[in-house]
Amino acid sequence: EDKVVQSPLSLVVHEGDTVTLNCSYEVTNFRSLLWYKQEKKAPTFLFMLTSSGIEKKSGRLSSILDKKELFSILNITATQTGDSAIYLCAVEATTSGTYKYIFGTGTRLKVLA
Amino acid sequence: GAGVSQSPRYKVAKRGQDVALRCDPISGHVSLFWYQQALGQGPEFLTYFQNEAQLDKSGLPSDRFFAERPEGSVSTLKIQRTQQEDSAVYLCASSLVSYGYTFGSGTRLTIV
Repeated sequence: EDKVVQSPLSLVVHEGDTVTLNCSYEVTNFRSLLWYKQEKKAPTFLFMLTSSGIEKKSGRLSSILDKKELFSILNITATQTGDSAIYLCAVEATTSGTYKYIFGTGTRLKVLA
Repeated sequence: GAGVSQSPRYKVAKRGQDVALRCDPISGHVSLFWYQQALGQGPEFLTYFQNEAQLDKSGLPSDRFFAERPEGSVSTLKIQRTQQEDSAVYLCASSLVSYGYTFGSGTRLTIV
């Protein structure tokens, strides 16, 4: 059965700290891995990763994929209170010509001032 | 439109009632997905459309759940004879191709 596991489930840090969020997966016919940030409304797209070892960066956020060990990490440096959210990892898998995304349960990050 | 629009934003229904949730995707987006997100959980896949064709409905939890997209744009998720375990946020997402699709704000369904 396809599954995506995120850790930790929740995390509390202080502003300025660096955090690393983990996502491991077991899926058949992997196509891509995506990270989303979810605040009180819909998830917003952060990164899509398809190739191992290539880091993607956006400001203080960065992410990398290891397709051999089947995991990805999301790093946030110099955290701010506005980073407080649930971070979702999703893996795109294909089955019989169609595709779908399997989400992890998310990591709830709280950044204290 | 500028984004994926879902309505209603909130819905409270009595157990046993039928409900219909609407999703208006980004204009021109071919792919449309429905997800169910229970409290404290990640979104769980329900069904997927490519234009008007429902290509995957493997995530629909029971035959009480039905989705359609008759003209390849607006989609409706219908839940018949609702039960308390149907309480969740229902998210719709659309994409032009398989690439970081855009979510709507969701419909929060509460069954009482």
